[in-house]
Amino acid sequence: GAGVSQSPRYKVAKRGQDVALRCDPISGHVSLFWYQQALGQGPEFLTYFQNEAQLDKSGLPSDRFFAERPEGSVSTLKIQRTQQEDSAVYLCASSAGTANSPLHFGNGTRLTVT
Amino acid sequence: EDQVTQSPEALRLQEGESSSLNCSYTVSGLRGLFWYRQDPGKGPEFLFTLYSAGEEKEKERLKATLTKKESFLHITAPKPEDSATYLCAVQAMGTSGSRLTFGEGTQLTVNP
Repeated sequence: GAGVSQSPRYKVAKRGQDVALRCDPISGHVSLFWYQQALGQGPEFLTYFQNEAQLDKSGLPSDRFFAERPEGSVSTLKIQRTQQEDSAVYLCASSAGTANSPLHFGNGTRLTVT
Repeated sequence: EDQVTQSPEALRLQEGESSSLNCSYTVSGLRGLFWYRQDPGKGPEFLFTLYSAGEEKEKERLKATLTKKESFLHITAPKPEDSATYLCAVQAMGTSGSRLTFGEGTQLTVNP
């Protein structure tokens, strides 16, 4: 596709449920990022992949958060045992991976934990 | 720790009333400074990258400038369709990939 695609657009989960959020990056983009954006805040870094390798996961807030990109294309962000504080928009971005190449963002998944 | 502070938090302008948004940053070696526009319910949309002090870039009614401590986004004769949240982000030397540290944004409203 022409841009980064994320699904679902909206997800409501009951506290304690597991969720899986999907990201389809721009074709050929080697770098993939996950960000978390709380209401009224800027995006905060969660994790980074170069192809299938997860090179930085320092932003993941707890061990309930897990991301994978097994074939170097589609990525999934999984949150286990969701808590209310996990409610946010989860943004995926991809880039060509060259120096200073800009990040291109998807429209995000809005997660609401009740 | 890299830090980005944007001001004002919110700005209301009349159509045609020019103004500037500020982005102050602290970073351990700047690789690039990025400006994004974000509309409600959408992801951030890339506008500009600036690499060194003194650099300027323009796109339609927007002009971005960079000094060693801050960046400005100048909006000339804005139109209602320029209403959005404008995000500033920095990329530091030595960070993984193109990892960005964002500010909290300036919410711009342009009234007709």
